[in-house]
Amino acid sequence: NAGVTQTPKFQVLKTGQSMTLQCAQDMNHEYMSWYRQDPGMGLRLIHYSVGAGITDQGEVPNGYNVSRSTTEDFPLRLLSAAPSQTSVYFCASIDWNSDTQYFGPGTRLTVL
Amino acid sequence: AQTVTQSQPEMSVQEAETVTLSCTYDTSESNYYLFWYKQPPSRQMILVIRQEAYKQQNATENRFSVNFQKAAKSFSLKISDSQLGDTAMYFCAFMKGAGGTSYGKLTFGQGTILTVHP
Repeated sequence: NAGVTQTPKFQVLKTGQSMTLQCAQDMNHEYMSWYRQDPGMGLRLIHYSVGAGITDQGEVPNGYNVSRSTTEDFPLRLLSAAPSQTSVYFCASIDWNSDTQYFGPGTRLTVL
Repeated sequence: AQTVTQSQPEMSVQEAETVTLSCTYDTSESNYYLFWYKQPPSRQMILVIRQEAYKQQNATENRFSVNFQKAAKSFSLKISDSQLGDTAMYFCAFMKGAGGTSYGKLTFGQGTILTVHP
């Protein structure tokens, strides 16, 4: 198993540009989520999904969109990037058998 | 809402010694999980140890163990025989148990930077 994969690893955007952060998992996990990590604040939940076709907002959803058309994929879209979205983004999925989340390697995003 | 607090922004320890990282949390839930994650400079989030709230026995994984004090809402991590590879940021995290709408949502503390010196 590849586990949870994310692309790209690094990205630089200009203010106002849009982009999609990709996340995929091959463990057949129903629950997937997106977090952002900012200095001194730990990780905060952006959006999550409990299965294909079902998504909901987390703690900091503004400026981000998600959709879940398959169990494997959970992309995160930035519609109009802002400097406040400069952060490291992590995708995660839950193994319900152990109630444990597994994280992807992260994407470092810089918005100029 | 749950909160998780790590009051030690930075800690240091000599190689082969023992260090304890502190974590307190606040919740009204009775069914939940607590985790410690390690984040080395590679930024990969690595699960160190997990604890189910309904289990009184403290979790142990090799050199890592926890002191789970449910009444005090305290969840500290003890690292024995510290190694240079233990140098990392450590996060304490809370997750509500299955059966509720908040299942799966992790709440993280601010993190503690641990440096192991040779």
